[in-house]
Formats: sequence, structure tokens, C-alpha cells
Amino acid sequence: ETGVTQSPTHLIKTRGQQVTLRCSSQSGHNTVSWYQQALGQGPQFIFQYYREEENGRGNFPPRFSGLQFPNYSSELNVNALELDDSALYLCASSLLIDRANYGYTFGSGTRLTVV
Amino acid sequence: GENVEQHPSTLSVQEGDSAVIKCTYSDSASNYFPWYKQELGKRPQLIIDIRSNVGEKKDQRIAVTLNKTAKHFSLHITETQPEDSAVYFCAANIPGGNDYKLSFGAGTTVTVRA
Repeated sequence: ETGVTQSPTHLIKTRGQQVTLRCSSQSGHNTVSWYQQALGQGPQFIFQYYREEENGRGNFPPRFSGLQFPNYSSELNVNALELDDSALYLCASSLLIDRANYGYTFGSGTRLTVV
Repeated sequence: GENVEQHPSTLSVQEGDSAVIKCTYSDSASNYFPWYKQELGKRPQLIIDIRSNVGEKKDQRIAVTLNKTAKHFSLHITETQPEDSAVYFCAANIPGGNDYKLSFGAGTTVTVRA
């Protein structure tokens, strides 16, 4: 096991609902990043958290938000779910040193289906 | 990712032959380039990575080369085996926000024919 765990593994939600996904980082890592991976595509960067603050964001609307806790675990919250939000959501932890992230390790992901 | 281009999108090779995947990046400040292998329904697994101060790195049948001047890097798999069949993603540490973020290519589906 890589040490990065995500929950839940699968989730079905209705359009308009809200969802919270959870991630625990690997021991020794201090940064958590979230990615959205649609079927047949590469992971798309949502945002990154370091020291409990967002320090990088991709091209995702404000209804995608997150938190990082003192133990480096993290949550991804998505409000007002849309059908296009259906995807695999991956969390990755890493070690941020000298303005660079190393050792990105992914969790198994949460498969979100919006109906 | 918009900052990283990956080619080809699909690659079919005969068992025992070599496979090469190429990626280009746009930001010369990028300093770290990992490669991931993702099997169907599983998480991306780091297979090799290279930092910008190194030109080449090898690990058994897998090697990565980096050309900083041309801003491209490549994955080489030699003596391919059926278990090498998967989707491979390149990535680059791209400056974003207050610190760097990892941007991914669109992926290459590699099929090794027995």
C-alpha cells in the first residue's frame, strides 16, 4: 500500500447535491493535491493544499473547494453537482521542498457518478 | 494538461520491441518530470522520475531522457512484455500559484502484442 487512502471508493449523487471526498496523506508528506480524471483522459489539477491553505488552483469553478487539516489529511467539497462532474477523483500527497513537489503518491481514488 | 503535450496517444508494439513516448512542456522553470503507469481501474503508479539537473535516468528496462533546451522528455521501455500494457502519463512540475503544481499529459495507451 502507498499510504494514501481515499474514501469513499464509490459514490452516486444526484445533480444539484453536494459531496465531500476525503484523503489521508502518506507519512512524511506535507502537501495534498486533488485531481479530476475523466474516462480516457489524464488527471486534471484541481488544487493543492500546503500548511492548511490552498496554494495552487487549476481551471475549476469556486464550487470546488477544499480543506487541509493539521495532520495533512484533506477534503474535497463539490457543491451544486453537475452531470459533467462524474469522474474519478484522485488525491496525491507529496513533499514540498524549495518550491517543488516531489514523490507524488496517489490514492486509489473515489469514483463519483452524478445522475 | 494544457502545459504538457504527450505523443502518441496510442502505441502498439510487438513483445520484445521497444516503446517510446514523448512529452513536451511549455514552462522552462519546470524542474521535475515523473512518469506514471495506470492500469485499468487502478491508481497511477510512479515508475520513474527525473529532475531538471539530470539528462538521463535508467531503471532496469525503463529509461527517461530530458532535453531542457528543447523542453521535451521521453520514456523508453525496452524488451516490452505483455504486463507493460497500460496507460502511461508524463507529468511536469509547473509553476502555479505560490508554488509548483504537477501537470499531466493526456496519456498514451500502450498495448504489447504477445
